[in-house]
Amino acid sequence: DAGVIQSPRHEVTEMGQEVTLRCKPISGHNSLFWYRQTMMRGLELLIYFNNNVPIDDSGMPEDRFSAKMPNASFSTLKIQPSEPRDSAVYFCASSFGASDTQYFGPGTRLTVL
Amino acid sequence: AQSVTQLDSQVPVFEEAPVELRCNYSSSVSVYLFWYVQYPNQGLQLLLKYLSGSTLVESINGFEAEFNKSQTSFHLRKPSVHISDTAEYFCAVSDANAGNMLTFGGGTRLMVKP
Repeated sequence: DAGVIQSPRHEVTEMGQEVTLRCKPISGHNSLFWYRQTMMRGLELLIYFNNNVPIDDSGMPEDRFSAKMPNASFSTLKIQPSEPRDSAVYFCASSFGASDTQYFGPGTRLTVL
Repeated sequence: AQSVTQLDSQVPVFEEAPVELRCNYSSSVSVYLFWYVQYPNQGLQLLLKYLSGSTLVESINGFEAEFNKSQTSFHLRKPSVHISDTAEYFCAVSDANAGNMLTFGGGTRLMVKP
């Protein structure tokens, strides 16, 4: 079974550009999570979907960030416009059920110059 | 709201020595508890979890953690570490009654020296 798939693995962009990160959850999982990891702030939950519906987006830093889940097998996290302080590793995770393990993807390392 | 405190940001230890990584949580509701491990340049992997039942849980690679409700702790231990255990370890908590949103601690970097 393939795990959670994220693309791209690395992204380097310039300040002001739009960035789109992609995630394919494990087939059959009904919950999807986007996290951001930085040295300063550690691992932060950005947004959580259940059955493709956003349940909690209180962790989304500001209006420049948006996330969508058009179907059960695909989600995007978009940053527009990007800023240097958005540089981080972004993880997607999926799970099934309230007590199920969250399975993490390999992450996307974003560098905004 | 829940919070997780990992008291040590780094733990250096010699190979074959025992180790304990500390985790304390704060919550007003029943919780599930997790330890995740992150190897360099990889995503997080579940190491072990406590949902209910026996308060002592074990992983397949020799780690164990004990849920202590009175002390609100979930410390991770291993009697003899290997070089390959060098990684960052994250403790996490979720509300047992309200879905599976995880709150993570700040992480502990375990550095095993030969």
